[in-house]
Amino acid sequence: GAVVSQHPSWVICKSGTSVKIECRSLDFQATTMFWYRQFPKQSLMLMATSNEGSKATYEQGVEKDKFLINHASLTLSTLTVTSAHPEDSSFYICSARAGTWNSNQPQHFGDGTRLSIL
Amino acid sequence: QQPVQSPQAVILREGEDAVINCSSSKALYSVHWYRQKHGEAPVFLMILLKGGEQKGHEKISASFNEKKQQSSLYLTASQLSYSGTYFCGTEGGGTSYGKLTFGQGTILTVHP
Repeated sequence: GAVVSQHPSWVICKSGTSVKIECRSLDFQATTMFWYRQFPKQSLMLMATSNEGSKATYEQGVEKDKFLINHASLTLSTLTVTSAHPEDSSFYICSARAGTWNSNQPQHFGDGTRLSIL
Repeated sequence: QQPVQSPQAVILREGEDAVINCSSSKALYSVHWYRQKHGEAPVFLMILLKGGEQKGHEKISASFNEKKQQSSLYLTASQLSYSGTYFCGTEGGGTSYGKLTFGQGTILTVHP
């Protein structure tokens, strides 16, 4: 149980392109989804938190207009990297959590998306 | 505030034990432990919520100290499959409630 699917797993595109990444919880309802960025051999850095049906909350230093997050249903959240540039190249991972915000449920992670901007 | 993990890396032979520590300068609401293999998603291991709590099983267990500022992950009689990077994710109070801040990770390598 608690499977999270992330798609695509690898994207290579030209500078200036917008890229959409999907995160789906396959066997549970995710009231909250999180988006992280991970640089090689480094930790997971939280970018934003999204709750179904409401606007995402972004961490300090993360550009809202650059990284658009939509959490339209209890099983799907999307991250769109708009007008991507080489410095946006990274490993992006989503996670999903069931239950209410204080339910002490674990986060379950997708397999990540490796984004390379040429 | 990012928790501090130690050690940064551990090399073991199969059957040996390891302890990974995770420390915070402030009392925490919870600690979550994950293992990530190269190029894969982090896999949830366990959550600790209460001061003085110990949980897990014979092979992989964890503790949370009374002050709720330090947690340790215990890997007993390690297996090759234990290799990976271990992260602790800490949940603080206030605006940090409900979100995890991850440590820098501990790379564990188990050799035959």
